[in-house]
Amino acid sequence: YELTQPPAVSVSPGQTARITCSGDALPNQYAYWYQQKPGQAPVMVMYTDTVRASGIPERFSGSGSGTTVTLTISGVQAEDEADYYCQSADSNETNVLFGGGTKLTVL
Amino acid sequence: QVHLVESGGGVVQPGRSLRLSCAASGFTFSTYAMHWVRQAPGKGLEWVALISHDGNNKYYADSVKGRFTISRDNTRNTLYLQMNSLRAEDTAVYYCARDPSSCPPLFCWYFDLWGRGTLVSVSS
Repeated sequence: YELTQPPAVSVSPGQTARITCSGDALPNQYAYWYQQKPGQAPVMVMYTDTVRASGIPERFSGSGSGTTVTLTISGVQAEDEADYYCQSADSNETNVLFGGGTKLTVL
Repeated sequence: QVHLVESGGGVVQPGRSLRLSCAASGFTFSTYAMHWVRQAPGKGLEWVALISHDGNNKYYADSVKGRFTISRDNTRNTLYLQMNSLRAEDTAVYYCARDPSSCPPLFCWYFDLWGRGTLVSVSS
């Protein structure tokens, strides 16, 4: 069971960034998203597919369809430049899986 | 304010042991399950281990099973990771992370609070 993310996404300020995460178990398991800026610890931005974590701006949203979940950042700002990781649990809930991460570049 | 602060990292030779600690503050540590997650230099995140709030249930990634042991001392609000038979591929920043622990039956299997990490470098 793997989670697959695009290695990189680039957008201009003010545009919409969409970061996808695909995995066969995602229809049956929740997905979570973390933001990691250089030299810093990860921060949870989204949980149970669509719920924004505390303190996360409203421009962040999550959605899911079938085997793919998507983190959408509307009106991207320079401060959103970071690595983003999706995460889920395996179907037996005895293991945690991370996607390989997506580097978001704000042009 | 809630905090997790890791310590105990350093440079260690292959085959040797190291124990990491994670001090928790600002929340009732004894009611939360806790994880260790690591990140090799320039690489992605990798889950390492999970321990229940009372220490009675533990889970490990296959890559560390039999070599690493997760434990906790709720009287000291501290989480531990004993790492034995270390390998070069264990080189990473090790983060402790909190499980929200509000999901039945025991774990949520995600992380709502992270420490800043401690670097472990395995090299001869």
